[in-house]
Amino acid sequence: GENVEQHPSTLSVQEGDSAVIKCTYSDSASNYFPWYKQELGKRPQLIIDIRSNVGEKKDQRIAVTLNKTAKHFSLHITETQPEDSAVYFCAAPGGGNKLTFGTGTQLKVEL
Amino acid sequence: NAGVTQTPKFRVLKTGQSMTLLCAQDMNHEYMYWYRQDPGMGLRLIHYSVGEGTTAKGEVPDGYNVSRLKKQNFLLGLESAAPSQTSVYFCASSYRQLMNTEAFFGQGTRLTVV
Repeated sequence: GENVEQHPSTLSVQEGDSAVIKCTYSDSASNYFPWYKQELGKRPQLIIDIRSNVGEKKDQRIAVTLNKTAKHFSLHITETQPEDSAVYFCAAPGGGNKLTFGTGTQLKVEL
Repeated sequence: NAGVTQTPKFRVLKTGQSMTLLCAQDMNHEYMYWYRQDPGMGLRLIHYSVGEGTTAKGEVPDGYNVSRLKKQNFLLGLESAAPSQTSVYFCASSYRQLMNTEAFFGQGTRLTVV
């Protein structure tokens, strides 16, 4: 099955700085890589995803990059704001109908 | 359009007691899932369903049972609760396979087994 590793587990940045979260996956057949954001006490929600036929995707201050050869993908948040503070999860298909999640990154944006 | 709704939101059980968590979705999704979330371990799949009347085991199925008698509902049962089942449980649904589509999550159920 798929193995997804996510780093770092915690990340603290100053408001306005950039934040980068990295994930690696094991199944070379995986072709869909979503990122979910979970605010404190709330449900996870999809913020961006990328498919294997593209190397980068942007949505305002959020971008995701994919390196299929190295089997890793990253979430980039620019000009961080306090409302970006949350837990972020990467995920990759785990075979069949399964989605394997990373262990999460607690991002704290400090004023 | 309520999306995915879980019942209850909080529950405290004694060891050995049983309970059922209910997940309901109004998006006509075929696929439904139950995850548990523990600190430092992310979201782990317990069981899932690819359509009405079907169920399948996920990553951590032991101690849980599920049923999908109606397309819109997915029930998670604990027959004899154990402290190791203390966790936050999330239900999710999707229109297609999660290999290429968004999962919509419920608000979560915080379960404590004492």
